[in-house]
Parts: sequence; structure tokens; C-alpha cells
Amino acid sequence: RKEVEQDPGPFNVPEGATVAFNCTYSNSASQSFFWYRQDCRKEPKLLMSVYSSGNEDGRFTAQLNRASQYISLLIRDSKLSDSATYLCVVADYGGSQGNLIFGKGTKLSVKP
Amino acid sequence: DAGITQSPRHKVTETGTPVTLRCHQTENHRYMYWYRQDPGHGLRLIHYSYGVKDTDKGEVSDGYSVSRSKTEDFLLTLESATSSQTSVYFCAISEEGGINTIYFGEGSWLTVV
Repeated sequence: RKEVEQDPGPFNVPEGATVAFNCTYSNSASQSFFWYRQDCRKEPKLLMSVYSSGNEDGRFTAQLNRASQYISLLIRDSKLSDSATYLCVVADYGGSQGNLIFGKGTKLSVKP
Repeated sequence: DAGITQSPRHKVTETGTPVTLRCHQTENHRYMYWYRQDPGHGLRLIHYSYGVKDTDKGEVSDGYSVSRSKTEDFLLTLESATSSQTSVYFCAISEEGGINTIYFGEGSWLTVV
């Protein structure tokens, strides 16, 4: 079974801290990668896609290492509003619709 | 936000009763999905649809059926609800299938007593 593994946390960090999450995936043929954010009792929402060259969106940086099959998310200058669960998502191109595999999520709690 | 509406948002039902959850989208996306999310398991795919009347099973399809008679509506039916089906159910849509970004509805909280 194809797997996506994440450290469940929780990561408890002070405001302003830098925090990094890693995610590993088992299928070397995986093609697309995403980070989603999920607030408590809310739906997951796309945070950012992850590209081979790495990409940055404000305080958030995503990296992909295909050789080691892991994805990372770096959050700089953490805000209270960053408290959420972060889901690593990997897409495979099998079948007619591709298949999204979700990690179980890493919980982040940013404290004042 | 993507135009996805789930109904009902909250439901309590008794074991053995049928339950239907509805997902309605206004984005005209081809792909629609039903996931369930449980502590310790993350999001798991129940069924998905890649067009009107075109559906297929996901990872945890036992005990569930789906129908898609219109592009905008995707129904999830629990023929005879069991306590193990107590969960939060998320509908999702995608323009191009699993290779592309998917957008989730707000969720339906189902409790089977």
C-alpha cells in the first residue's frame, strides 16, 4: 500500500519561531505534491503545491527531494494564526483519475 | 472559496437506518470525491466520480454507495448505517482529477448511535 508518513507532532513553538515539517512517501513514481492546512473542525485547504525546484510563498517554503522521497515545509516567523494541522499530500498517476494519498497530518501550535 | 455545499452538515441517526449525504458544486468540475476523516487514519477515499454516471470505488468503499446523475451533484448513501461509520465526511472536487488541486467542502458530521 502506498504510504505518506508525517510526524504527528504536536509541534509547540513560540511566536516568531521557525518550524519545519517533513513528510516521506513510498511510491517513487509519485508526480505531484501538495501541502494542505486544516484548522480544527474545518475542511483542508490548499496551502501550496510543491515543485521540484522548491517554491516559496511569503513565510512558507516547500522543498521536494525525489532521491530521498521526502517533502518539507518550512514556516518562518510563526504567527498565532499558523496554528493548525498540516497535511502532506502526494498524487500518483495510476488509473483514470490519479490518486491522492494523504498523510495523517502534523499539528502545529504557536504560543504567544 | 470553491463553490461546494454539503448537506446535511450535522446528522445523528440510528444504527440500521439509511443515510444520504449530498454534495453540490457550482464549479462545473468533472471530478468529485467523498472522503471520510477519522482520528489516527487521516483522510480516506470512499468513492469518486469522473463524470455523470461514472463512479469508482476508493480505499474504504464497503457499506457505501454513490450516485451522480448531474455534473453538480454527488450523493453518498449509507444503506444501513453502522457505528463504525460515525465520522466526518468531506466532499471534494477537482478539475483534472488527482493530478491537480482538489477543493473540499465544509464537511458533514455524522453520528450513528
